[in-house]
Amino acid sequence: DADVTQTPRNRITKTGKRIMLECSQTKGHDRMYWYRQDPGLGLRLIYYSFDVKDINKGEISDGYSVSRQAQAKFSLSLESAIPNQTALYFCATSDPGLAGETLNEQFFGPGTRLTVL
Amino acid sequence: AQSVTQLGSHVSVSEGALVLLRCNYSSSVPPYLFWYVQYPNQGLQLLLKYTSAATLVKGINGFEAEFKKSETSFHLTKPSAHMSDAAEYFCAASNTGNQFYFGTGTSLTVIP
Repeated sequence: DADVTQTPRNRITKTGKRIMLECSQTKGHDRMYWYRQDPGLGLRLIYYSFDVKDINKGEISDGYSVSRQAQAKFSLSLESAIPNQTALYFCATSDPGLAGETLNEQFFGPGTRLTVL
Repeated sequence: AQSVTQLGSHVSVSEGALVLLRCNYSSSVPPYLFWYVQYPNQGLQLLLKYTSAATLVKGINGFEAEFKKSETSFHLTKPSAHMSDAAEYFCAASNTGNQFYFGTGTSLTVIP
């Protein structure tokens, strides 16, 4: 089974609709992230969370909100979707590693392709 | 803030030829550096990472990267391209592990 799962994998919706993208992980990591990927722009950070009570805005948080329901679950919501939120969305997790020794990489889910008409 | 620049959004090589994908970072303090690969309709997978233990880092699938502080670079290479190497490649950097900064990606095409 995949360590980081995302649902749905594909979603088409209309402008103004509320959408929730879900992410679950079995890696036991405290840190979770949401990114969006657009052609030519790479990955841009939307929100990140270092534990259940910690939520931080990323580079492009406007128009999005998140909920960290448990260590293993991190949801991204679009309260009122607009066409320029059409993108590929990725959830990622990480375990920072031991302080002063190393930094571990992020682990990514398979992505959710969202289209807003 | 950290920034990562990948020169060349599209690179084409012949099968068997050298692969060179370029990555430069902006920080004056050498960050942790990563290369990820993304195959079509999949998430990102780690190829290799630099964490200051050695400047030449070997990764999976025959890829390696060399950290050059004087050039603030971390270019990815593979001596002989294979058709299966066709994918999108992303360079990423982090200073503290709190946030990771990604380049805009390089799409690699391998010509038979």
